[in-house]
Amino acid sequence: QKEVEQDPGPLSVPEGAIVSLNCTYSNSAFQYFMWYRQYSRKGPELLMYTYSSGNKEDGRFTAQVDKSSKYISLFIRDSQPSDSATYLCAMSPNTGNQFYFGTGTSLTVIP
Amino acid sequence: DAGVTQSPTHLIKTRGQQVTLRCSPKSGHDTVSWYQQALGQGPQFIFQYYEEEERQRGNFPDRFSGHQFPNYSSELNVNALLLGDSALYLCASSGELQGATSYEQYFGPGTRLTVT
Repeated sequence: QKEVEQDPGPLSVPEGAIVSLNCTYSNSAFQYFMWYRQYSRKGPELLMYTYSSGNKEDGRFTAQVDKSSKYISLFIRDSQPSDSATYLCAMSPNTGNQFYFGTGTSLTVIP
Repeated sequence: DAGVTQSPTHLIKTRGQQVTLRCSPKSGHDTVSWYQQALGQGPQFIFQYYEEEERQRGNFPDRFSGHQFPNYSSELNVNALLLGDSALYLCASSGELQGATSYEQYFGPGTRLTVT
C-alpha cells in the first residue's frame, strides 16, 4: 500500500465551478500537509500548508485535514482556466523529515 | 528573492555516464532536499542535506550521492546512469534561518535528465 493515495484524474470542469481534490494516507504520524500546483514541465509551486487537523483558507483555496479519517482535501472556488495544472498533495511526520507525495491530479478548467 | 534555482535546465547523457546537478536554496533556507519525478508520477524523495550532512535518505541506490556546501547550495551526483534514471530532478529548500518556517518546502524548476 502506498503511503499517499491520490486519484490521478483527469478532472475537467467548467470555469467558475468549485473543484474538490483529495488525498488519503495510511501513516497516522503525518502532521504536516501541503498542496502544490505543478504546470507542465515545471517545478511544483507551494499553494497551501497546514499543520495537524482543521481548515485553512487563502483566497479561492481552502485546505482541509481530517486526521481521524486520514483524508485531506483542497477546494478551489470560482475556478479559472489558469488553475489548469496538476495538483500534488504532500505530507510529512516531522519538519526534518521527507515529504511523501501523491501521484497528482490533473485538472483542466474549460473557459 | 531569487527563490530556488537549479542548473542545468536540461541534460542528455548516455548510459554508464555520470552527471552532476546543482541547486541553490531560497534565501533564508538551510536545508536542501532532492526528489526524482518520473513522468506522470509524484516526486520521490532521494535525500536531504542539512549542515553539510546527509540527514535522511529515501529508497535510492548508492549511485545517487550528494553534497552540501557551506553556503547551503547542494549538488546531486548520479553515477553509472541507467535508462530508468531519466526524470525531472527537483531540488527543494526549507529551513529556519532568518525567520523562515521550517516545514514550508519550496521547489526549484527542476533539471530534466534524459539518459539514452
